[in-house]
Amino acid sequence: SAVISQKPSRDICQRGTSLTIQCQVDSQVTMMFWYRQQPGQSLTLIATANQGSEATYESGFVIDKFPISRPNLTFSTLTVSNMSPEDSSIYLCSVDGPNTGELFFGEGSRLTVL
Amino acid sequence: QKEVEQNSGPLSVPEGAIASLNCTYSDRGSQSFFWYRQYSGKSPELIMSIYSNGDKEDGRFTAQLNKASQYVSLLIRDSQPSDSATYLCAVRESGAGSYQLTFGKGTKLSVIP
Repeated sequence: SAVISQKPSRDICQRGTSLTIQCQVDSQVTMMFWYRQQPGQSLTLIATANQGSEATYESGFVIDKFPISRPNLTFSTLTVSNMSPEDSSIYLCSVDGPNTGELFFGEGSRLTVL
Repeated sequence: QKEVEQNSGPLSVPEGAIASLNCTYSDRGSQSFFWYRQYSGKSPELIMSIYSNGDKEDGRFTAQLNKASQYVSLLIRDSQPSDSATYLCAVRESGAGSYQLTFGKGTKLSVIP
């Protein structure tokens, strides 16, 4: 399985600021996915990032709030913009496994917004 | 709205017992089913996948799928304290790309020594 590294692992942020989360994979992958896991909730897909094209956002998520970059086949960033306490969550980067539908996750970035 | 339902637990079992985790899903056309384990403060890790009706065994883990009943379960035999975690059921919906998984909220399992 791929080794996926995320930075930062956790952060405490002030309301109204923005934070960029980095995701590095040890192999080239076509698609990278960003998930959110709010306290006590299931994982929710935010967007899919393909190298060389705009990210595809799921219903309820918009580019202005969660801009994503995918400059190459091993790296992606997710920015959480103009944060509010409701954005306090774990943000997870993931990539496809060898079989259809399987996902491998990074360690996650735990954000607390005050 | 496509849904994946799990009992949130906590489910407590004694060490050495069989833990049974259950999951139901709403989309009858779903094709692929997964169980992820998530330790507290950690990211989910895939432990089982199942694609056809019946049982699939991997070590102490057995996944069971019944598409007619829209039901998938995970059995953990000889439960160990290290199995204590939250178990997430995930379903790949029909017609979706491989990345469009719907996750349940998870069942918290506690194995008592």
